[in-house]
Amino acid sequence: ETGVTQSPTHLIKTRGQQVTLRCSSQSGHNTVSWYQQALGQGPQFIFQYYREEENGRGNFPPRFSGLQFPNYSSELNVNALELDDSALYLCASGLPTEGPLHFGNGTRLTVT
Amino acid sequence: GDSVTQMEGPVTLSEEAFLTINCTYTATGYPSLFWYVQYPGEGLQLLLKATKADDKGSNKGFEATYRKETTSFHLEKGSVQVSDSAVYFCALSVGGAQKLVFGQGTRLTINP
Repeated sequence: ETGVTQSPTHLIKTRGQQVTLRCSSQSGHNTVSWYQQALGQGPQFIFQYYREEENGRGNFPPRFSGLQFPNYSSELNVNALELDDSALYLCASGLPTEGPLHFGNGTRLTVT
Repeated sequence: GDSVTQMEGPVTLSEEAFLTINCTYTATGYPSLFWYVQYPGEGLQLLLKATKADDKGSNKGFEATYRKETTSFHLEKGSVQVSDSAVYFCALSVGGAQKLVFGQGTRLTINP
């Protein structure tokens, strides 16, 4: 089975710019979640998508938004980038009624 | 709100030593508890889980027991190997495995 894949692996952006990160879910999974992991910290839940709709959100501002597509792939969009947005962004897929989540290797975003 | 507190790191041990990484939690409901491991340059991998009080999760020689009375889920291994060097995260979820609340992580280094 194909695991969770994320692209790109690394990205450098300038403050104020916008960024789109992409994720392909593991085969058979229909939910996708996004997490932000700052350096030396544990991952923090951004939001989850199920059946192409947001289904839970963490404490992140509206400039963090997402999409889930019919093939269960997903995007995370961040507008008006700030220096504190520099982090590893992890995508995880799963099924709504059972765990566990399967994580991708992440996208390392650096905002300068 | 829900939270997880982990033993401060980093932890450095010699090969074949006994390992304990402490984890305590606060939750409003009845959480499921998890240990995830993150190897360098990789995403998170589920190591073990427990879904109700007194359950013991185990995998690859690691064990953790869900202790409701002490709100703890300590990770143990009887004899660590160099290949166990990684960052370990304790996590909980309430009402499903999709939204995980992570601890800050404990970096473990095993010396030969």
